[in-house]
Amino acid sequence: SQTIHQWPATLVQPVGSPLSLECTVEGTSNPNLYWYRQAAGRGLQLLFYSVGIGQISSEVPQNLSASRPQDRQFILSSKKLLLSDSGFYLCAWSPRLRRGETQYFGPGTRLLVL
Amino acid sequence: GENVEQHPSTLSVQEGDSAVIKCTYSDSASNYFPWYKQELGKGPQLIIDIRSNVGEKKDQRIAVTLNKTAKHFSLHITETQPEDSAVYFCAASMGNFNKFYFGSGTKLNVKP
Repeated sequence: SQTIHQWPATLVQPVGSPLSLECTVEGTSNPNLYWYRQAAGRGLQLLFYSVGIGQISSEVPQNLSASRPQDRQFILSSKKLLLSDSGFYLCAWSPRLRRGETQYFGPGTRLLVL
Repeated sequence: GENVEQHPSTLSVQEGDSAVIKCTYSDSASNYFPWYKQELGKGPQLIIDIRSNVGEKKDQRIAVTLNKTAKHFSLHITETQPEDSAVYFCAASMGNFNKFYFGSGTKLNVKP
């Protein structure tokens, strides 16, 4: 069966510091991968998605970037965090070659920027 | 792009009662409609989904209905239990890269 991991689970960072969040998927190959952000009490905002190694599409211009160095690894980064980057970051995967397939979410990383 | 609206934003029901959450979408090309349950501090979990060639789907106490003409779909939970308390999200997808457009969420509170 497939499993999706995210780490760290929680992170407290000062404004201006760098960020690296990691997501890995087990038990599948060639997945679509997604990064979402969820502000407190709010809905899910799609940040990035990837259909293959090195292929990243950005949905919202912002202070963040994403990379996919391996097939089942997705990384969310920032060079300098802003207060507004605080939130709950969710990684998700879906089967790539089939349409109408659901997305499976990881446990999330809670980021607090102070 | 697609726009998904979800109502109500909060819903309180008595244990044993039914709960209904409604979503509308704007793009008739959307063909896949999942529903997620998110418990506090956790990632969303799929609870049921429906495709555009089906009008209704049921899984035990949970059902989803789809009206393609009106572009709306609904989640029905019967015989609610306290453990159903969570935030529920609907989504719509046109299948391109499986991008999902999410509703804003409904916080369901089931009172014992």
